[in-house]
Amino acid sequence: AQSVTQPDIHITVSEGASLELRCNYSYGATPYLFWYVQSPGQGLQLLLKYFSGDTLVQGIKGFEAEFKRSQSSFNLRKPSVHWSDAAEYFCAVGDGGGNKLTFGTGTQLKVEL
Amino acid sequence: NAGVTQTPKFQVLKTGQSMTLQCAQDMNHNSMYWYRQDPGMGLRLIYYSASEGTTDKGEVPNGYNVSRLNKREFSLRLESAAPSQTSVYFCASIGYSYNEQFFGPGTRLTVL
Repeated sequence: AQSVTQPDIHITVSEGASLELRCNYSYGATPYLFWYVQSPGQGLQLLLKYFSGDTLVQGIKGFEAEFKRSQSSFNLRKPSVHWSDAAEYFCAVGDGGGNKLTFGTGTQLKVEL
Repeated sequence: NAGVTQTPKFQVLKTGQSMTLQCAQDMNHNSMYWYRQDPGMGLRLIYYSASEGTTDKGEVPNGYNVSRLNKREFSLRLESAAPSQTSVYFCASIGYSYNEQFFGPGTRLTVL
């Protein structure tokens, strides 16, 4: 069965500092991988996705993520965090059939001014 | 505008009451999903429908039923609500190979 682990429940960074959110997945074949952001009281917004090809993918809002098959990881990064990036971030893995999307438990990001 | 609509946005039930959460999409997607979100647990899949006329259990299906009425609509029913079903429920509509993904605004359900 597919699964996702986000080991960091909470992360606090200073505005302007770099950010890396960790995500490890378990899936038997080449996975479909996603990062989402959720602001308080809102739904989910897709930041970026990886299907195949270049292992470094660019997303919206200046985010990027790198797929590392050997480490079963798909970490999210941003070079310089803005106060508006404070939100909860979810990593997810999708099966090859395009039918089942499994989420991690999320990482709450706090940005200190 | 393209997207996923969910009704209602808020609901309070008493233990044992029933209700149906409605979800509709206008993107002509085959796949639709119901998730529940609880603090510290992320989004957990309740049921999904890969195509019109088919439904499958997800991770936490107990206490729920679903209906894929047509390609647009996917409803979630609680036959006898329990306090453990207090949660925020999200419907999602996803296109072929995840190329498009839309999540509804959520339904905040409280069961007393």
